[in-house]
Amino acid sequence: QVQLVESGGGVGQPGRSLRLSCEGSGFRFSSYGMHWVRQAPGKGLEWVSSISYDGSSKFYADSVKGRFTISKDTFKNTLYLDMDTLRAEDTAVYYCARDRNIETTLFDFFDHWGHGTLVTVSS
Amino acid sequence: SHELTQPPSVSVSPGQTATITCSGDALARKYAYWYQQKSGQAPVLVLFDDNERPSGIPERFSGSISGTTATLTVRGAQVEDEGDYYCYSTDPSGNHIGKFGGGTKLTVL
Repeated sequence: QVQLVESGGGVGQPGRSLRLSCEGSGFRFSSYGMHWVRQAPGKGLEWVSSISYDGSSKFYADSVKGRFTISKDTFKNTLYLDMDTLRAEDTAVYYCARDRNIETTLFDFFDHWGHGTLVTVSS
Repeated sequence: SHELTQPPSVSVSPGQTATITCSGDALARKYAYWYQQKSGQAPVLVLFDDNERPSGIPERFSGSISGTTATLTVRGAQVEDEGDYYCYSTDPSGNHIGKFGGGTKLTVL
């Protein structure tokens, strides 16, 4: 079955960097677009970033544009989120999610989610 | 801007019908999707393409759309349906910008 396992969370200092990973299994990772969604403590869900199945299209929320970079390694079946210039407001559980669509640069919705990894930005 | 508005909370007794709305201009042109999140867990898709249920989601969950408002209905709500519900859609401008509603806490007691 489809599994998504995030890792890389922890405590990051303001202004520093952190890299999140999400390993996918149980499906052809190279055929699906992927997403990152986050949830600050006690708050709602916030879409963060999306990457198309072939990596040719990438999109970001305004709140992270210019600071975060999404990428995927199809040989390692892994999705990444490079988080630079961290801010206190980036503190959240970060979920990776798979898009429903197959082999298209059009995005649809999140049909499978990981369990999330907690990022805490604090000095 | 691309905004989706939900009521903060809805409360019903077991067996009653719960209705959660999601309003936003984008919904006139883009599908609404609904996610259920129970405390400490990852979200789960309960409706897609406005009113389609994924396999495994009980028939008591249904959806509808009217103009710019999408509605999630839970007929005969059960205690296990308690949780936070989020609508989701994308910017109709052509750029892929995702947006969640603020979430609605459903209480069944």
